Amino acid sequence: SQKIEQNSEALNIQEGKTATLTCNYTNYSPAYLQWYRQDPGRGPVFLLLIRENEKEKRKERLKVTFDTTLKQSLFHITASQPADSATYLCAPNTGFQKLVFGTGTRLLVSP
Amino acid sequence: DTAVSQTPKYLVTQMGNDKSIKCEQNLGHDTMYWYKQDSKKFLKIMFSYNNKELIINETVPNRFSPKSPDKAHLNLHINSLELGDSAVYFCASSQSPGQGNTIYFGEGSWLTVV
Repeated sequence: SQKIEQNSEALNIQEGKTATLTCNYTNYSPAYLQWYRQDPGRGPVFLLLIRENEKEKRKERLKVTFDTTLKQSLFHITASQPADSATYLCAPNTGFQKLVFGTGTRLLVSP
Repeated sequence: DTAVSQTPKYLVTQMGNDKSIKCEQNLGHDTMYWYKQDSKKFLKIMFSYNNKELIINETVPNRFSPKSPDKAHLNLHINSLELGDSAVYFCASSQSPGQGNTIYFGEGSWLTVV
């Protein structure tokens, strides 16, 4: 069955460092993958989309990579700030007109 | 000017009751969704409507019945509530799915069944 895995443990880093979050998927080949941010008590908010023919996508301090051979996407936040603390969800499309979300990784950036 | 709004935000009710959650979007999207996020934070799609037609129904118990009176509204009615229904329910919308379109989520409705 299709599976999406993100680190379930929180990632703790210091302000100014680069945070790297991992999303692994198995048993299917998504045409694209999205990353969302979710703050406590709020709905997820879209950050970036990367398509299968793109290796890398950037937006300000955010960078996403997509390795279709490894079936993995990496999400990087450079020069991280305490305001970046949140849960980050990856969502590869399944080809059935729907996104399936990973369980998310909680990022904690300490000053 | 909230894009996707859902009510109520908090709902505490007893087992066996019937309750509804309403959702409206003002983004002009033709697709709306209901997602459920459980205590482990797993966000799972329940239903998807495109132009008022049901296109995704993810093996949700038939106690859950979505209703879309028009493209801008998708309500969720739950009959005979059970303890396991306690979760956060998110309404969302997008342009046509499967194209990589962004999904816009509401703020969630916290349902607690006691």
